[in-house]
Amino acid sequence: LAKTTQPISMDSYEGQEVNITCSHNNIATNDYITWYQQFPSQGPRFIIQGYKTKVTNEVASLFIPADRKSSTLSLPRVSLSDTAVYYCLVGDRAGNNRKLIWGLGTSLAVNP
Amino acid sequence: EAQVTQNPRYLITVTGKKLTVTCSQNMNHEYMSWYRQDPGLGLRQIYYSMNVEVTDKGDVPEGYKVSRKEKRNFPLILESPSPNQTSLYFCASSLGSRADTQYFGPGTRLTVL
Repeated sequence: LAKTTQPISMDSYEGQEVNITCSHNNIATNDYITWYQQFPSQGPRFIIQGYKTKVTNEVASLFIPADRKSSTLSLPRVSLSDTAVYYCLVGDRAGNNRKLIWGLGTSLAVNP
Repeated sequence: EAQVTQNPRYLITVTGKKLTVTCSQNMNHEYMSWYRQDPGLGLRQIYYSMNVEVTDKGDVPEGYKVSRKEKRNFPLILESPSPNQTSLYFCASSLGSRADTQYFGPGTRLTVL
């Protein structure tokens, strides 16, 4: 199983950079790393996906070291609206039947 | 607008009364799935479908049925709902597999009395 481990919760303040690290020691060669954001009573929303090194889009950056056993989601200058639960998943985009496990995610609280 | 829709958004029912939650996507996605989310347990997959007429069990399929007769629709059927199926349900779709970017519906909050 493609299991991931992330901190249960994190606290930050507006304007700070937040880094959430996820470990995935049993990541397979074909697995991609994907992060989602979820607000209360809403469906998860895709943030970013990567395979190796660094990926950046308009909302976040994803850093993946060479061994790919962990990854770090970086949110620059967070605001109150970034308070949410963040999930890290690893999975094979080729669509084989290995399970995609959603953990409990990291609950980020951004304070004024 | 590309989206996944679910109906109803809220439903209160009684034990044993069959119900169907509909899910539809307009992105021509092949992969669709149903999840339930419960406090302290996170998102758990109920069923998924890789394509029309192809469905398979997820982690918690007991008490649920699905069908995929058309590419865009993936209804979730509870033949005889029980109180332990009270939960928040999400439908999701993605282009080719569960590891592709998944687009989630707004959720259906189901209460079984």
